[in-house]
Amino acid sequence: DIQMTQFPSSVSASVGDRVTITCRASQTINNWLAWYQQRPGKAPKLLIYAASTLQSGVSPRFSGSGSGTDFTLTISGLQPEDFATYYCQQANTFPPRWTFGQGTNVEMK
Amino acid sequence: ELQLVESGGGLVQPGGSLRVSCAASGFTVSSNYMSWVRQAPGKGLEWVSVIYSGDSTYYADSVKGRFTISRDNSKNILYLQMNSVRTEDAAVYYCSRVRGSHYYYHGMDVWGQGTTVTVSS
Repeated sequence: DIQMTQFPSSVSASVGDRVTITCRASQTINNWLAWYQQRPGKAPKLLIYAASTLQSGVSPRFSGSGSGTDFTLTISGLQPEDFATYYCQQANTFPPRWTFGQGTNVEMK
Repeated sequence: ELQLVESGGGLVQPGGSLRVSCAASGFTVSSNYMSWVRQAPGKGLEWVSVIYSGDSTYYADSVKGRFTISRDNSKNILYLQMNSVRTEDAAVYYCSRVRGSHYYYHGMDVWGQGTTVTVSS
């Protein structure tokens, strides 16, 4: 299976900060990567798909980049509602063996 | 409005069976890839299973041979039949709509609120 390694596992930040989260795949996944936000007690929410395409209705302060094995999610101008856990997820395998990163908790400094 | 509502979670004994359901509204389950994702208490997300619009089904190794994904097209409901349940299967189970095909993957864009499965004797 493709392993997805996210780092950092946790980051402390303040409102207005720029936060960058990295996700590294154990082998190339082209751009078959999505990013999700999960607030405590809530279902995940799709932010980015195809590595860099913003999901409809998601704030443009979220952006994604990367291809191959290395990907990043950037939050520009952190807002109070952005304190949450973020996951990357790959879907490049067939038959499907989809995998998530272990998550990055963005917490208030 | 696109919506998924899970139900059927509860307490199951190790070795027992449980079926969780996911009722969709605003779109047709049979026309989409549909998936189950779970989250053990305090842990991250784990993909469990997917059913393609063409009826092909796939599973994570951790549940293969024990879980079965299916759907009732007439009721627009997705199911996950869980057999030979283990303590490590205890989790919140989410259903999701997958925007994808053999040629692209656009993520899981609609999620249910989750249903909790507890495994204990």
